[in-house]
Amino acid sequence: EVQILDSGGGFVRPGGSRRLSCAASGFIFNYYAMNWFRQAPNKGLEWVSTISKAGDQTFYADSVKGRFIMSRDNSNNMVYLRLSALRVEDTATYFCSRTGHGAYGPWSQGTLVTVSS
Amino acid sequence: DIQVTQSPSSLSASIGDRVTITCQVSQAVTNYINWYQQKPGKAPQVLIYETSNLEDGVSSRFSASGSETLYTFSISNVQPEDIGTYYCQQYKTVPISFGQGTRLEIK
Repeated sequence: EVQILDSGGGFVRPGGSRRLSCAASGFIFNYYAMNWFRQAPNKGLEWVSTISKAGDQTFYADSVKGRFIMSRDNSNNMVYLRLSALRVEDTATYFCSRTGHGAYGPWSQGTLVTVSS
Repeated sequence: DIQVTQSPSSLSASIGDRVTITCQVSQAVTNYINWYQQKPGKAPQVLIYETSNLEDGVSSRFSASGSETLYTFSISNVQPEDIGTYYCQQYKTVPISFGQGTRLEIK
């Protein structure tokens, strides 16, 4: 069974940092690109970042470029998102997902990052 | 960047109704459109991928079609378990973008 589990959310002060983790199982991890999405409270879905199968290419939304870094460890089936210079508007539930056959899924359960002073 | 305009923002349907949601994209996306369902407090789940392909295990009451810049998603015979928010997504180019969402409620 394909499983994607995220962790690492919590409360952070503006300007602070946080690392989110995503553990994958049930599929050949290095065959798939991986992604992070987010959803601010009571708002819609927003794409954050994508990393290639080998981890040699990353893509970011303009809203996080230069502040967030996505990485992966294919030996341990892990994906990470390093959040830095956090802003109040980064408050959201962050989801990890696999790029499948043209669709994005499954998604992790979501981890909430709250940025507040 | 490709803009995605989804309508309506909310729907109220009776059990057994058929409902339709529309997504208009700002440039042709060569059928690179997915549709997701998100139930309250849960992660989104893909229902339809690449415009019209039903994801494994998803009810055939869900269907979708479209081309170029206009895409539609339908639910036939609406059931109570269909309550949630539906999103379209274009993935032809980065940045990947979503419609604003359509909240479905049951009358």
